[in-house]
Amino acid sequence: TQLLEQSPQFLSIQEGENLTVYCNSSSVFSSLQWYRQEPGEGPVLLVTVVTGGEVKKLKRLTFQFGDARKDSSLHITAAQTGDTGLYLCAGAQSNFNKFYFGSGTKLNVKP
Amino acid sequence: DAGVTQSPTHLIKTRGQQVTLRCSPKSGHDTVSWYQQALGQGPQFIFQYYEEEERQRGNFPDRFSGHQFPNYSSELNVNALLLGDSALYLCASSYAGIQETQYFGPGTRLLVL
Repeated sequence: TQLLEQSPQFLSIQEGENLTVYCNSSSVFSSLQWYRQEPGEGPVLLVTVVTGGEVKKLKRLTFQFGDARKDSSLHITAAQTGDTGLYLCAGAQSNFNKFYFGSGTKLNVKP
Repeated sequence: DAGVTQSPTHLIKTRGQQVTLRCSPKSGHDTVSWYQQALGQGPQFIFQYYEEEERQRGNFPDRFSGHQFPNYSSELNVNALLLGDSALYLCASSYAGIQETQYFGPGTRLLVL
C-alpha cells in the first residue's frame, strides 16, 4: 500500500492546455517535494513545501500544500512539450530521515 | 559544483550473485539515502546513512546493506540477487541541516537474469 496516492496515473494532453496532478495521503507530512523524472534518469527536485496552505510558483507551475499537510497539488498552465515526464510527489515525516514517494503521474504533452 | 554521481550506470548480474553500487554526494552534503525504483513505480526507500551509520531503514531484507565512508560517499550492497531485484537504484544526498531537500543521482540500472 502506497502512503501517498497520486492521480491521475497517466495524462495525455495537447500543448497549451492546463492540468492538475494530485497527491493525497491520510498521513501528515512535515514537508512535501515534487520531482520530475525523465526516462532512465534520476528525479529532479522541482519544489519543497513545508507549511500547511503554502503555495509556491515556479514559472508556469503552481504547487500547493494542503492546510492539514496531508495532500498537495501541482498545476501546470499552458503545458509545453518540454513538460513531458513522470511527476512524483514525496513526503517526509517528522524526522526527515525517510521519504515516501507516490507512484507518479506520467504526463505526455502532444504538440 | 558536481551533483550526485553514481557508478556504474548499468549492470547485468545473474541470480545468486552479489553487487556493489557506489554514490558520491553533492558537494557539502553529508547524508546519503538509497532508493529502489521498479519499472513504472515510484522510488522505494531502502536506507539512509549519516555519520557513517545507518540511521533509518525501509522494508528491505538484510540482503541489502550499505556503508558510508568518511568522505560521505556511500555503497549499496545486495547479496543473493533475485530476479525481483532488477530495478533502477537511486542515490540521493542532503545536508543534515536541511534534510527536507534531497538531490538525486542519475541512478544505476541493475538487471538480474
